[in-house]
Amino acid sequence: GAGVSQSPSNKVTEKGKDVELRCDPISGHTALYWYRQSLGQGLEFLIYFQGNSAPDKSGLPSDRFSAERTGGSVSTLTIQRTQQEDSAVYLCASSTRIRSEAFFGQGTRLTVV
Amino acid sequence: GEDVEQSLFLSVREGDSSVINCTYTDSSSTYLYWYKQEPGAGLQLLTYIFSNMDMKQDQRLTVLLNKKDKHLSLRIADTQTGDSAIYFCAESRGEDYKLSFGAGTTVTVRA
Repeated sequence: GAGVSQSPSNKVTEKGKDVELRCDPISGHTALYWYRQSLGQGLEFLIYFQGNSAPDKSGLPSDRFSAERTGGSVSTLTIQRTQQEDSAVYLCASSTRIRSEAFFGQGTRLTVV
Repeated sequence: GEDVEQSLFLSVREGDSSVINCTYTDSSSTYLYWYKQEPGAGLQLLTYIFSNMDMKQDQRLTVLLNKKDKHLSLRIADTQTGDSAIYFCAESRGEDYKLSFGAGTTVTVRA
């Protein structure tokens, strides 16, 4: 597609349920990032992929969070046993290795009730 | 992240100039970026500067880079109400040009 696509755009889930967030990067972009932005806060780095491997997972807040990327393209971020503090906008970005200008998706707004 | 720091808030009067500052820690940074996030929207790239440059101007935007002090600034001339947004500084570094973002500066333009 023309830009980074994230789905769903909004997700309301009950506390304790698992959720999957999807990111479809720009075709050919090797780098993919997940960030979290809580209300009124800055960007919190979660994980970074280069191709299918994740050289930096340091930002994942707990072992309830995991992410994978297959075929060097689509990535899913999974949050197990969601908690209210997981409520935030989850942003995905992709970039080429060469100049690394990152293009962001519109984000998934997750609300845990 | 902790490697890139910005002040959190800036209030400016319409028509004045805004200056947003950023400091970074890694001298091997190759590119430095400014992103803008309007309310309810994703981040959009405003401008970037290569690390061997001191200044870049693009219409109302001026980016200044002091590599010795690892200091980056964004000046917006004739600030308008549409400039109200969160501005993020970012750097790319290392062999794989991994991006690191600051926490963002919320700019409020008052009439």
